[in-house]
Amino acid sequence: GAVVSQHPSWVICKSGTSVKIECRSLDFQATTMFWYRQFPKQSLMLMATSNEGSKATYEQGVEKDKFLINHASLTLSTLTVTSAHPEDSSFYICSARDPLASGGPTSTDTQYFGPGTRLTVL
Amino acid sequence: GQNIDQPTEMTATEGAIVQINCTYQTSGFNGLFWYQQHAGEAPTFLSYNVLDGLEEKGRFSSFLSRSKGYSYLLLKELQMKDSASYLCAGGSARQLTFGSGTQLTVLP
Repeated sequence: GAVVSQHPSWVICKSGTSVKIECRSLDFQATTMFWYRQFPKQSLMLMATSNEGSKATYEQGVEKDKFLINHASLTLSTLTVTSAHPEDSSFYICSARDPLASGGPTSTDTQYFGPGTRLTVL
Repeated sequence: GQNIDQPTEMTATEGAIVQINCTYQTSGFNGLFWYQQHAGEAPTFLSYNVLDGLEEKGRFSSFLSRSKGYSYLLLKELQMKDSASYLCAGGSARQLTFGSGTQLTVLP
């Protein structure tokens, strides 16, 4: 199946600093990638949709100036948490659509998830 | 709305069969996905249904009834490693919307 990587796996930073998380599709090209956040014992909440070559689409309540998304190529999207604070501590997960995945439906391509990045802001 | 409901927790015995139900209230979904998530890890894709009926894949099967807004994931011959959270997700052309997940505990 399609493989998505994320880097770093975990990061600890001081309050006020910025953290960049990378999401890569390793064996397919992804025009669309998604960024989710998951707090303990809660489900995944979509933060934004990252589109290659255009601006990201943010979900309601997600600050676009705080969570900067760049989708510079068909295999890489980055999420930068700017001026991180302790309440930003969470598990950040990216996913990518593989439109050529076997058995994928025509209008809703299967999303494959990266391994996640655990962010702890002190 | 796009409410997706599934039980919070379930417990079953090793070797048994368990059915995890998911109901949704939306007309915007084109497919219904199931993902497995172990603690501290990202979700892994299990199955999807676009058409009504049962899709079987080894020990896992998933069923969808679009008219009833209902899906279930059936796990057979449960193993200890199946202890995990199972996420039901509705898929549209734009995104996936996840339910809160069902934490399954498999007991010896």
